[in-house]
Amino acid sequence: GENVEQHPSTLSVQEGDSAVIKCTYSDSASNYFPWYKQELGKRPQLIIDIRSNVGEKKDQRIAVTLNKTAKHFSLHITETQPEDSAVYFCAASIRTGRRALTFGSGTRLQVQP
Amino acid sequence: DARVTQTPRHKVTEMGQEVTMRCQPILGHNTVFWYRQTMMQGLELLAYFRNRAPLDDSGMPKDRFSAEMPDATLATLKIQPSEPRDSAVYFCASGLVLTGRTDTQYFGPGTRLTVL
Repeated sequence: GENVEQHPSTLSVQEGDSAVIKCTYSDSASNYFPWYKQELGKRPQLIIDIRSNVGEKKDQRIAVTLNKTAKHFSLHITETQPEDSAVYFCAASIRTGRRALTFGSGTRLQVQP
Repeated sequence: DARVTQTPRHKVTEMGQEVTMRCQPILGHNTVFWYRQTMMQGLELLAYFRNRAPLDDSGMPKDRFSAEMPDATLATLKIQPSEPRDSAVYFCASGLVLTGRTDTQYFGPGTRLTVL
């Protein structure tokens, strides 16, 4: 089955700096890669996603890049703010069959004011 | 703004008791997923329904867990008997899966279960 690895497990940055979180996946049939943000005690919420026919996608301060050859994708947050502090999860799913998401282990991002 | 709803939000019970968690998916979604979140294991898939039919429950301990979808507006997850190691947050998520395309999964607020 699919295996998703996520790094780093914790990340601390100064307000205004950029943050990058990286994930690798094992199943080359995976074609959908969402990123979720989870604040303490809350539900995971989708912040951005990318499909395998796209190499990069941007939404204001958030961007995701995908390298299908290397089977890795990354989340980039620019001009970080204290409210960006949360746990971020990457995930992957394949187009056929189960289509459930396989999640990475999460990255705890702390933005220091 | 349609959302997935879950009840109860919190449940404290004693070992050996039955626990039932309920989920109402977003209207029009055809897939429902149950996930369990713990500090040690992260987010794990327990079961998955499409068009109310169970497609995958390989992540569930079969002897004590059961998942059903009696109608399109209700999914249930039962634990009987419950054990302390079942303590976790249980999330339901729903989405719309179309041929050749996987759509976004939206999570409910979760049920925080504590088994004493």
